[in-house]
Amino acid sequence: KAGVTQTPRYLIKTRGQQVTLSCSPISGHRSVSWYQQTPGQGLQFLFEYFSETQRNKGNFPGRFSGRQFSNSRSEMNVSTLELGDSALYLCASSLAQTSGSTDTQYFGPGTRLTVL
Amino acid sequence: TQLLEQSPQFLSIQEGENLTVYCNSSSVFSSLQWYRQEPGEGPVLLVTVVTGGEVKKLKRLTFQFGDARKDSSLHITAAQPGDTGLYLCAGDTPSSRHYGGSQGNLIFGKGTKLSVKP
Repeated sequence: KAGVTQTPRYLIKTRGQQVTLSCSPISGHRSVSWYQQTPGQGLQFLFEYFSETQRNKGNFPGRFSGRQFSNSRSEMNVSTLELGDSALYLCASSLAQTSGSTDTQYFGPGTRLTVL
Repeated sequence: TQLLEQSPQFLSIQEGENLTVYCNSSSVFSSLQWYRQEPGEGPVLLVTVVTGGEVKKLKRLTFQFGDARKDSSLHITAAQPGDTGLYLCAGDTPSSRHYGGSQGNLIFGKGTKLSVKP
């Protein structure tokens, strides 16, 4: 099976612009989560999508948004970019079984966003 | 706010040495996961521990979950240069169990950057 893919891998934007990042989960995985990773804060949870619905959200401003399509692919959007948004944005997918067991999250390689 | 504190933040050792990385919290977690992340890549899951007091071994790596499910440790025996990377612990919060499973809302520690020199 192909792993989680993220595009683009690298992106350079300027303050005030907006950006859209894309994530294709592993085939058959229904849950997609997004994380922001910075040296100072580490990995922080942004939001999770399941069956095209956001069912979990972290503590990020409304400039950060996302969506999921019927094929489970997901996008996240950041509007009005700030210097502090420079980070590695990671997407993770999982099967999202309802058995009560802990599902494994499989991470993509990330998109490195630099805001100038 | 639930926090996972990892220590040490940085660790540089020689090949063949042993090391232990710690992950502590004041909160109880449903489960705790350990990941390793290499430069330019996303984290890769090493192990998930679920039961308090649980010990899991993965070749030279030994993972332990505290009895109260608030802390965990990772011990590496006879470290090798291939063990170099960022080790992250992540706790699964009960609040994420909306659909009977544990999803999405992992709380991560800031990581331990390990460098093993030949």
